[in-house]
Amino acid sequence: DSGVTQTPKHLITATGQRVTLRCSPRSGDLSVYWYQQSLDQGLQFLIQYYNGEERAKGNILERFSAQQFPDLHSELNLSSLELGDSALYFCASSVEQGPDYGYTFGSGTRLTVV
Amino acid sequence: GNSVTQMEGPVTLSEEAFLTINCTYTATGYPSLFWYVQYPGEGLQLLLKATKADDKGSNKGFEATYRKETTSFHLEKGSVQVSDSAVYFCALKQAGTALIFGKGTTLSVSS
Repeated sequence: DSGVTQTPKHLITATGQRVTLRCSPRSGDLSVYWYQQSLDQGLQFLIQYYNGEERAKGNILERFSAQQFPDLHSELNLSSLELGDSALYFCASSVEQGPDYGYTFGSGTRLTVV
Repeated sequence: GNSVTQMEGPVTLSEEAFLTINCTYTATGYPSLFWYVQYPGEGLQLLLKATKADDKGSNKGFEATYRKETTSFHLEKGSVQVSDSAVYFCALKQAGTALIFGKGTTLSVSS
């Protein structure tokens, strides 16, 4: 157990629907990062939050949004889902933002859009 | 922009063979470099890291040396085991940016 908890583990939904993925960071970690892993694109950085504030954006679609709550858990909202959104979505956390700090990853949410 | 390039896989080895997975990077300045490992059905785990040139990261028999002159961070292990079968990701990080990953290299070790 890495200490980063992601729910649900699996999600199957239809095109056009909206889903919410949840992440609880490791205790004491203030930064949360979301990544999308697909076979063709590899691991793509989506967005980062630090202590409730958005800090960095990567290749996140406008249909996707996220937030980090006062208790530091984070949610990734995916709307108007398309078949191509099927992927593994990982959340990671770190105690600091500096370059020397690696991330602790959760076990991911596998999203299947049918 | 910053990027990481890993050797294409899969890499197939017999138990006790020597492993090298090549990783090169492109970055402005001096990033920190990482290797992560992903076992089937699991998230990524930090394997080792190096934060400045000539640093050697090591863990569980794996090693990688930060070579600024060749912009490389190759992963090596002297004797692989079946339990090392996984996907290995090279990554870099600079101040103000998130971790950037290579596409991953699948390692398969047979007994």
